[in-house]
Amino acid sequence: DSGVTQTPKHLITATGQRVTLRCSPRSGDLSVYWYQQSLDQGLQFLIHYYNGEERAKGNILERFSAQQFPDLHSELNLSSLELGDSALYFCASSVEGGWETQYFGPGTRLLVL
Amino acid sequence: AQSVTQLGSHVSVSEGALVLLRCNYSSSVPPYLFWYVQYPNQGLQLLLKYTTGATLVKGINGFEAEFKKSETSFHLTKPSAHMSDAAEYFCAVSGSQTGANNLFFGTGTRLTVIP
Repeated sequence: DSGVTQTPKHLITATGQRVTLRCSPRSGDLSVYWYQQSLDQGLQFLIHYYNGEERAKGNILERFSAQQFPDLHSELNLSSLELGDSALYFCASSVEGGWETQYFGPGTRLLVL
Repeated sequence: AQSVTQLGSHVSVSEGALVLLRCNYSSSVPPYLFWYVQYPNQGLQLLLKYTTGATLVKGINGFEAEFKKSETSFHLTKPSAHMSDAAEYFCAVSGSQTGANNLFFGTGTRLTVIP
């Protein structure tokens, strides 16, 4: 158990819908990262938040957005969902946001039908 | 820009045999290199990482990796495979002068251990 929690574990929805994935980092960690794992694209970095502020963006679609709240939990919002958005979405956290270890949550499996 | 190439999407070894998973990286800045393991239906767990200093890095579960700058490689090894090592292994690189430390992952290598 990494100490990072993600909810829900599984999500099934239809095309065009909007979903919110939630991540609670390890106690004391200020940084949260979101990654997408799909068969087509592999593991890809989406976005990084540090203490409530966006720090870096990766291959994140405009239909996707994220935020980190004052209690440091983070939400990833996916809208206008397409079949190709079906994937495992991982959240990771680290203490600061430097080169220290990132600890991964168990992931949310999203299936878009 | 950073990228990682993992040679061999599937590797099979006999129990007790040497495990060698290959990783080559590309980085425009001094790289930080990582190996993560993913067991079925679980998240990623860090096996080991190289940041600076000693180029031979020891990790958990008996794994180690050697950073070879001249070969731009960071291959993962274990002297004797165990059944519990069956999993997917990901090599990753990060490193940026701007401080963006997101990880760039390889495509993964699925390790099968044959009894």
